[in-house]
Amino acid sequence: QLQLQESGPGLVKPSETLSLTCTVSGGSIRSRSDYWGWIRQPPGKGLEWIGSIYYSGDTYYNPSLKSRVTISVDTSKSQFSLKLSSLTAADTAVYYCARQGGLFGPPDYWGQGTLVTVSS
Amino acid sequence: DIVMTQSPDSLAVSLGERATINCKSSQSVLYSSNGKNYLAWYQQKPGQPPKLLISWASTRESGVPDRFTGSGSETDFTLTISSLQAEDVAVYYCQQYYDTLPLYTFGQGTKLEIK
Repeated sequence: QLQLQESGPGLVKPSETLSLTCTVSGGSIRSRSDYWGWIRQPPGKGLEWIGSIYYSGDTYYNPSLKSRVTISVDTSKSQFSLKLSSLTAADTAVYYCARQGGLFGPPDYWGQGTLVTVSS
Repeated sequence: DIVMTQSPDSLAVSLGERATINCKSSQSVLYSSNGKNYLAWYQQKPGQPPKLLISWASTRESGVPDRFTGSGSETDFTLTISSLQAEDVAVYYCQQYYDTLPLYTFGQGTKLEIK
């Protein structure tokens, strides 16, 4: 059974950069059919797609966040990572990593999510 | 961006009764070359990640009870729960995956409760 697990700091200061890692187990991050993405959810609010990556390193970002987002992959560790810079309180959210069965397929496996709070 | 709008925002239904949630997209999510609607439905319970219930507008995921049915095409979609169970209390989201960038946009969510 495919599993994804997010890790990273739960508290980050304004203007700093958030760094999260998603570890994939029970399946291969090098799967040719799969893409890997990040989605966030502010407390009590809806879902926002941040970006996605293929094992080759091809990336796709939400235009609304593109200037601040970097997603990378480390296939040797079965991990992909998110960096989000210039943080404000509006970036406080639960951050989920997820698998997409194809570039144009819905996320079907999700991590449990990690709450990141932006506060001084 | 394709905007997804759900109705109602919240819904209270008696146990055993039917629940209906609507989702409207600002443009068609039907890809004419393959006849597929790029529309999914998710269920999210408190403290949990969203769970994919239905993809391609009407394809139930493995293990999803058959009381959950997705229907609709192009811009208008419906999630129907035929006989509400206590464990169905959750927030439900529709999502389009037709667009290029952003890849996904979600509806605002519909909170389903027991009457």
